[in-house]
Amino acid sequence: DAMVIQNPRYQVTQFGKPVTLSCSQTLNHNVMYWYQQKSSQAPKLLFHYYDKDFNNEADTPDNFQSRRPNTSFCFLDIRSPGLGDAAMYLCATSRGLTSGRSDTQYFGPGTRLTVL
Amino acid sequence: AQSVTQLGSHVSVSEGALVLLRCNYSSSVPPYLFWYVQYPNQGLQLLLKYTSAATLVKGINGFEAEFKKSETSFHLTKPSAHMSDAAEYFCAVSSNFGNEKLTFGTGTRLTIIP
Repeated sequence: DAMVIQNPRYQVTQFGKPVTLSCSQTLNHNVMYWYQQKSSQAPKLLFHYYDKDFNNEADTPDNFQSRRPNTSFCFLDIRSPGLGDAAMYLCATSRGLTSGRSDTQYFGPGTRLTVL
Repeated sequence: AQSVTQLGSHVSVSEGALVLLRCNYSSSVPPYLFWYVQYPNQGLQLLLKYTSAATLVKGINGFEAEFKKSETSFHLTKPSAHMSDAAEYFCAVSSNFGNEKLTFGTGTRLTIIP
């Protein structure tokens, strides 16, 4: 089945130690998104890629970076994790449809990040 | 700017009872509306979406939602709750201008009472 895969599902890191989260997709979608979801809150968009074009949300901290080496893979790098970065990180994809057509986002299972 | 408001952060219903989760939206352009469900430690799964075709939208797991423009609402219903429906439900809105961001509501946690 076509799907969005996130690895690892659970990640533990130490305060200040860089960490990379991985997302891959077999849907061949143009757009890939990274969301941060803290406990009992709605997902918050960090950034997204439309093909190779990177789009950062204005309030995304500089501590968060992303790479998309090819259509299938996208990475979230947290350069110096703080305690406040502990959260569920969700990857999503969409086809990237043009005006007048609905563009549905499909989510992966998420990676829960713990910062010690 | 677009926004959604989900009334009731927690809703409890008895097994077999009607489920009603409320969502009101604000949008200056015709909206696309979505309901997602999230089980513990899982990602979001699309339940259903409204894209300006039929106003009554049927989704997975017996859920449906009705788009009411006059009330700016898109409430989610299910006639008979099942224990497996216990989860967090998010309403979201985007525009029909294509490739637009999803704006999520704050979520409603649904508890099913045996």
